[in-house]
Amino acid sequence: DGGITQSPKYLFRKEGQNVTLSCEQNLNHDAMYWYRQDPGQGLRLIYYSQIVNDFQKGDIAEGYSVSREKKESFPLTVTSAQKNPTAFYLCASSIWAANYGYTFGSGTRLTVV
Amino acid sequence: AQRVTQPEKLLSVFKGAPVELKCNYSYSGSPELFWYVQYSRQRLQLLLRHISRESIKGFTADLNKGETSFHLKKPFAQEEDSAMYYCALRDYGGATNKLIFGTGTLLAVQP
Repeated sequence: DGGITQSPKYLFRKEGQNVTLSCEQNLNHDAMYWYRQDPGQGLRLIYYSQIVNDFQKGDIAEGYSVSREKKESFPLTVTSAQKNPTAFYLCASSIWAANYGYTFGSGTRLTVV
Repeated sequence: AQRVTQPEKLLSVFKGAPVELKCNYSYSGSPELFWYVQYSRQRLQLLLRHISRESIKGFTADLNKGETSFHLKKPFAQEEDSAMYYCALRDYGGATNKLIFGTGTLLAVQP
């Protein structure tokens, strides 16, 4: 069953902690993306990766980091430098340089406690 | 700058009424536009792409370059259409290939 899997579904973080959100896809897609979804603000791009071992900052990369060591995986770390991390995080993948749109994961809801 | 604007946060209609969800864009190149939908407790999914000129679940959207719009329309709304709808623009200038999303419109179809 091809798709994109995000884990965990819910995550709680204490102030000052780093946390890592997982995103795995078995669609053989080249490109992967991380978006943050906040009420009234739509989806904002955090980071994206076109190819293994390469990634670019999106519009709101501050306080986040990523890696792309494997084609299938694109984990996102929310660092303690992110001032307002409580949000819904969406991972997506796509065929590069194509207009087929994205396939999205089911999301991770991060809450700072 | 590339931008997608959805002016309505909420659109409430009665079942059987026509629906139009507005989307305007700003893009310097040849635009590629999409509509995504997020039903309650489901993941965000592609509804339709302007390039395919398709009709999905009775929805259509026509690209109007003169008005820089890509409004989503359905002649008769159904209760199951209630969802969050996002318009998105593909930014593929240079070495980039990413989607720019609008802020979304929540469609509520009343019985």
